[in-house]
Amino acid sequence: EIVLTQSPGTLSLSPGERATLSCRASQTIGGSLTWYQQKPGQAPRLLIYGSFSRATGVPDRFSGSGSGTDFTLTINGLEPDDFAVYYCQQYRRSPWTFGQGTKVETK
Amino acid sequence: QVQLQESGPGLVKPSETLSLTCSVSGGSITSDSYFWGWIRQPPGKGLEWIGSVSYSEGLDYTPSLTSRITMSVDASKKQFSLQLRSVTATDTAVYYCARHGRNAYKELLYFDYWGQGILVTVSS
Repeated sequence: EIVLTQSPGTLSLSPGERATLSCRASQTIGGSLTWYQQKPGQAPRLLIYGSFSRATGVPDRFSGSGSGTDFTLTINGLEPDDFAVYYCQQYRRSPWTFGQGTKVETK
Repeated sequence: QVQLQESGPGLVKPSETLSLTCSVSGGSITSDSYFWGWIRQPPGKGLEWIGSVSYSEGLDYTPSLTSRITMSVDASKKQFSLQLRSVTATDTAVYYCARHGRNAYKELLYFDYWGQGILVTVSS
């Protein structure tokens, strides 16, 4: 099973700042990584797939990068709506696994 | 626009079977471009993939739950279902259904459409 480790667990930032979230895989997964955003009481929302491709309707302040085992989600200029929990998920190999999440909270 | 909606009991007794259904609208449940998946989230915790099923191309279950789960597709009702047997308190979670995409090589990818989720509590 491929284990995904996200860091940090919590990121305390102010609106307008840049958020940098990390996801590390226990073995190489190429570019087969997705990022989701989850707000309280809501289902996860697809943000990024294929490591860097934005899903339909996702603002361009969200960007993804990385390949192999190390991946990054960057949010440039945090807006109030961006404070949420972010999960990565690999689709290189079943079982399809998620990271434990990074919470982006208001400082 | 594809929409998914979970339904089923919100309370299940220990040792019994949890049964959930997901209704799909706005898309074809029989397309071989997709599987249909279940993901759960215990209160305050992260996401765990349970399994994915296709109308015609098989099943994929997470190893830790394989012995307790059954998934199927009912094309006539545009629904797919999950049964989880012998539940315990650790199965208490919000259960989500989601569309599990495939690429041109028929490899499973990510979950692009999700239901709103249903909280299932295991308690006597």
